[in-house]
Amino acid sequence: DGGITQSPKYLFRKEGQNVTLSCEQNLNHDAMYWYRQDPGQGLRLIYYSQIVNDFQKGDIAEGYSVSREKKESFPLTVTSAQKNPTAFYLCASTPPTGPGDYGYTFGSGTRLTVV
Amino acid sequence: AQSVAQPEDQVNVAEGNPLTVKCTYSVSGNPYLFWYVQYPNRGLQFLLKYITGDNLVKGSYGFEAEFNKSQTSFHLKKPSALVSDSALYFCAVRALNSGNTPLVFGKGTRLSVIA
Repeated sequence: DGGITQSPKYLFRKEGQNVTLSCEQNLNHDAMYWYRQDPGQGLRLIYYSQIVNDFQKGDIAEGYSVSREKKESFPLTVTSAQKNPTAFYLCASTPPTGPGDYGYTFGSGTRLTVV
Repeated sequence: AQSVAQPEDQVNVAEGNPLTVKCTYSVSGNPYLFWYVQYPNRGLQFLLKYITGDNLVKGSYGFEAEFNKSQTSFHLKKPSALVSDSALYFCAVRALNSGNTPLVFGKGTRLSVIA
């Protein structure tokens, strides 16, 4: 079955450490997105990529970095510059807009905790 | 700029009663509107979308939403709530014909259906 796989499901980060969250899709979608979810704040956009080798900053990109070397993969690195990284991270992808478009397909998320 | 408001953080309803989860939006041009549902520690799941056409949109699990252009609203409804409907609900918008520009999400409304 097609879908988006996020790994790991749970991740613990020590102070000053960089960590990378994986997001892989086999839906042949061009566009991919990273959102951060905090209680009571909804989903906030970190980065997005509409095509391979191209990506744009979202509303809260500081302290994060991404790459898009392959269509299927859009990893997110949480750097030591992100001072409050504890959150639930969601990856999504979308096909081109059209009758078969149902918006985003989401992964199951990664819960990152600073220890 | 696009924005979504979900004015209620929490909605409580008795099982078997009708439910409404409110959403208002702001977008330049015609809107492309979505409702998603999220269960604990999971990604978001698509419920329904509105592009054009009938103002009453039917979606998954018996949910429907009513588009009202004059009030810029897209309220989610269900005639008879189930305990299993208890979850976090998100409304999202982007401008129609804006390609794969990111969806803007509301802060979410937690629905609690009481037996």
